[in-house]
This record gives sequence, C-alpha cells and structure tokens, in this order.
Amino acid sequence: DSGVTQTPKHLITATGQRVTLRCSPRSGDLSVYWYQQSLDQGLQFLIQYYNGEERAKGNILERFSAQQFPDLHSELNLSSLELGDSALYFCASSYSPRGGAYNEQFFGPGTRLTVL
Amino acid sequence: TQLLEQSPQFLSIQEGENLTVYCNSSSVFSSLQWYRQEPGEGPVLLVTVVTGGEVKKLKRLTFQFGDARKDSSLHITAAQPGDTGLYLCAGGRNRDDKIIFGKGTRLHILP
Repeated sequence: DSGVTQTPKHLITATGQRVTLRCSPRSGDLSVYWYQQSLDQGLQFLIQYYNGEERAKGNILERFSAQQFPDLHSELNLSSLELGDSALYFCASSYSPRGGAYNEQFFGPGTRLTVL
Repeated sequence: TQLLEQSPQFLSIQEGENLTVYCNSSSVFSSLQWYRQEPGEGPVLLVTVVTGGEVKKLKRLTFQFGDARKDSSLHITAAQPGDTGLYLCAGGRNRDDKIIFGKGTRLHILP
C-alpha cells in the first residue's frame, strides 16, 4: 500500500459525459501528479500540482482539467468524453515539487475508465 | 515522439534463467527510475539512478545507468515467478521537472 488513494476504482460512462476522478496523496506529500495509461501509449504524464498550484503540464487535453484543494487532495475532471479516453488513470504523490529528477513518486491503485 | 525506448516489449522465460531488459534514449536524463507494475495496480518504484555509470543492486536485480546518462539496463538473476510484471523505466529532466515513461517490458516468468 503506497498510501495514495484513488476513487472510484472503476468508472463506466457514455460518450459526451463528464466524470471526476479523485486522489488523496500520502500524508505529508505536497505534490500530486496525474497520468493516463493506455495499451498503445504507455504511461503519459498529464499534469502536476504542488501545494495547490499547477507546477507542470504534460499531454493533457483541453477537455481535461485538474485542481488541488487546500487539504491537498486532487480531482481530475474529464469532459466531453470520447471512446479513446478509456484508460487507466493514475495519481502519484511526492513531497517535493521536483517530480522528475531525484524524487520518488508513489502511485495510487488507479481508476479504470471505460467510455461506451 | 517516444523519448524512452524499452526492449524487448515482451519476454517470457523459464524460472531460474537470467535476463536483461533495456531502456534507451537519445536524450540525456538527470535521473532514471525503474518501476514494476502488476496487473490492476499502480507502478511501484524499484530504484533511482542519478550518476553516469552507476550500478545499484536490489537482491537479484541489478540496475545500471549508462555513462552518458542516456540509457539504462535491468538485469535479473535466477528469475522467479514473482518477478512477473510490467517493468517501466522513467527519465527525469532537471530543466522541466517532468518525468517521461517508456512503454515498458512485459515480463513473464514460467514456473
């Protein structure tokens, strides 16, 4: 158990809909990262928040948005869903804002999104 | 553009054999991490290497960072069924603090 929690575990919805994925970081961690994992694209970095502020942006679509709240939990909002958005969505956390170099990230169990 | 290429994509070997998987790039990374991911779970960090030429050992796993910090290898000695999983390498870059993942090597150890 990494200490990172994600809800829901599974989500099935229809095209055009909007969903919200939730992540609670490990106790004491200030950074939250969102990743998308699909079979053909591997693990893709979407966005990072550090202590409530956006820190780094990756390949995140305009239909997707995220935020980190004062209690440090984060939500990833996916709207106008398309079939291709079906994937595993992972949240990771770390203490430092330096997500890439030198810093360990701890991953949650993921949310499996299926868009029908 | 896939900056980190992992090979092989799939590997299935018998228990007790040795194996090496690779992570290659044309880019220089400040650090490189290896993760193992099991079905239905998130990746778990195995090791971080930061110095060119660095070698780290974790029981039967040996990780090496290339001298030029563009590539890395993971060698498993006497593989066991518990080693089965998806092995991901990830490179960190100082200039933008992003971490880039390879697509992974899916390893299956046959008992």
